[in-house]
Parts: sequence; C-alpha cells; structure tokens
Amino acid sequence: TQLLEQSPQFLSIQEGENLTVYCNSSSVFSSLQWYRQEPGEGPVLLVTVVTGGEVKKLKRLTFQFGDARKDSSLHITAAQPGDTGLYLCAGDDFGNEKLTFGTGTRLTIIP
Amino acid sequence: EPEVTQTPSHQVTQMGQEVILRCVPISNHLYFYWYRQILGQKVEFLVSFYNNEISEKSEIFDDQFSVERPDGSNFTLKIRSTKLEDSAMYFCASSGWTISFSNQPQHFGDGTRLSIL
Repeated sequence: TQLLEQSPQFLSIQEGENLTVYCNSSSVFSSLQWYRQEPGEGPVLLVTVVTGGEVKKLKRLTFQFGDARKDSSLHITAAQPGDTGLYLCAGDDFGNEKLTFGTGTRLTIIP
Repeated sequence: EPEVTQTPSHQVTQMGQEVILRCVPISNHLYFYWYRQILGQKVEFLVSFYNNEISEKSEIFDDQFSVERPDGSNFTLKIRSTKLEDSAMYFCASSGWTISFSNQPQHFGDGTRLSIL
C-alpha cells in the first residue's frame, strides 16, 4: 500500500512570509499532482510534475519533484491571505490509474 | 475552462435506501473516476472506468457499489442498501484525451455530500 505523508499538517503564518510544505513517500510515483481544496469543494489541480528533479513555477508557487520521484515540495513566496486552503499532493502509480492522496497541509495566512 | 459537474450537491437518504450520484465529466475525456472523502480523512480512490468498463477498483468498492455510463455524457455511481458509514463527500474526476492515461492530470468536480440517516 502506497502512502503519501504531508508535513506539516497545519501551518499558520503571517502574510508576506515564505513557506514550504512537503510530500513524502517510500514509493516511487510516475507523476505527482498538487491540488488545492476549499471547504465544500473538490480538489483543484495546481500542477503536475513528471520528471525527477523537475521544478515548476506557478506565480509565487514553486513545485519540485524529488530526483527519485518519491517526494515533492511546494514553496510559496510572500504568502497572501488568498493562499489559505488545504493543499493536497497525489501520486500516480506506474501502470495504475488511481491517485493516492496525501494527508494534506492546511495552510492559514494571517493578514 | 471545461469542468466536471456533479449532482446533487447534497443528498440525504435513509439507511438501506439506494442512491445514485451523477457526474458529467469533461467533454472528450476518456477516463472517469470516483473518489470519496470521509469527513476529516484523506481522499480515497473507489473506481476507475474506461471504454465502458471498470478498469480498476479499490477494496472499498464492493458489491454494494456500481458505476455506469448510460449515455455519452453522464457517469453515475450507484450505492445500494446504504449504510451509515457511507456518509462522505463523493468526488467524480476525469482525465485523458488520449488512450495513454499515464501522467495525465485528473480534474475533479465539487462533489456530492452524501448523508445517511
């Protein structure tokens, strides 16, 4: 059974600060997707990383896939209140179609 | 931007009754999925569907559950003889404009909140 652990589980920081959240596994994934989920809504895709070591940027968000494709990180620069939400990573196993979701990081940005 | 739509947004049902949750995947997507999220827990995979048949299912997806694509647009999840522990958010997702599903992101609907009384 593949597991994705996200850390920290909760993070509360002041507006303007930088932060990094992590998504770790002992398993290798074909790709890894990051989603953001608001209360009462479905996960919204932010990015997909495929290649080991890949870095993708989405405005102030930087996503990195580990060289071994077992882990990933999300770095937010100059956090804003609009970044508040639940961030989920989800791994796509080789040959499987299902996504294995992480435990989530609930981020709160304080104005 | 195309999106996955789910109906109803909230379904309340008596234990033992049957429910059908409906989804309209993104047009031209080939792969369809159901996931569930029990309150406070992780999103869990239930089933994937391709070419009019189930391609993979989890241990959760037992004989109580079934999926169907009755026409060219809808994708449904039927839960027979509902139990209290079936209460959860159920998300539909779709992906893939090509037959190679690998690394193609899944796009999710806003879910149906199922409450079993």
